[in-house]
Amino acid sequence: KNEVEQSPQNLTAQEGEFITINCSYSVGISALHWLQQHPGGGIVSLFMLSSGKKKHGRLIATINIQEKHSSLHITASHPRDSAVYICAVKGSQGNLIFGKGTKLSVKP
Amino acid sequence: DTAVSQTPKYLVTQMGNDKSIKCEQNLGHDTMYWYKQDSKKFLKIMFSYNNKELIINETVPNRFSPKSPDKAHLNLHINSLELGDSAVYFCASSRLAGVKNTEAFFGQGTRLTVV
Repeated sequence: KNEVEQSPQNLTAQEGEFITINCSYSVGISALHWLQQHPGGGIVSLFMLSSGKKKHGRLIATINIQEKHSSLHITASHPRDSAVYICAVKGSQGNLIFGKGTKLSVKP
Repeated sequence: DTAVSQTPKYLVTQMGNDKSIKCEQNLGHDTMYWYKQDSKKFLKIMFSYNNKELIINETVPNRFSPKSPDKAHLNLHINSLELGDSAVYFCASSRLAGVKNTEAFFGQGTRLTVV
């Protein structure tokens, strides 16, 4: 079993829908990252969390340290949000341990 | 100015060749990483360097050798390339390993195809 599990693996939504991607992890962490990878391949860091909740525009990330669970929400989804969203936790030596990603496709 | 830059972006080469991928960061970070993304898009750590010293060396064939001439550069050299080495390789950097809240910055990736 992977140390970082994401669900769902694939997600198709209609433009405007509210989207939630979940991440559970089984190791002790100092921080959790949400990353976005577009079809072109580049990886961008969306959030880094160690507690609570963060918001950037239409994106919201939450983390529950006790339950070892984080969620990424996208409000009013748009086709340009189509990408792979990756949850990653920071290991004890600073490296990231990745989930397998959630492929999101938002249809107009 | 690109924060973490990798070259080349694409690399097509024959089996048995030796090749290098270069990575440079201009963020003043102490720690740099190489990650491999396989055909199923799963990312995994390969190496990590902190201030030019190797701190993580995952189970990677010894045909792969990282080299860090200074803390702004971490190059990846691969000897005797095999078909299974085909993947996308990402360089990343962050502030000192162990510091709790450290953003990670990624290069644009190098798509290596071994034919």
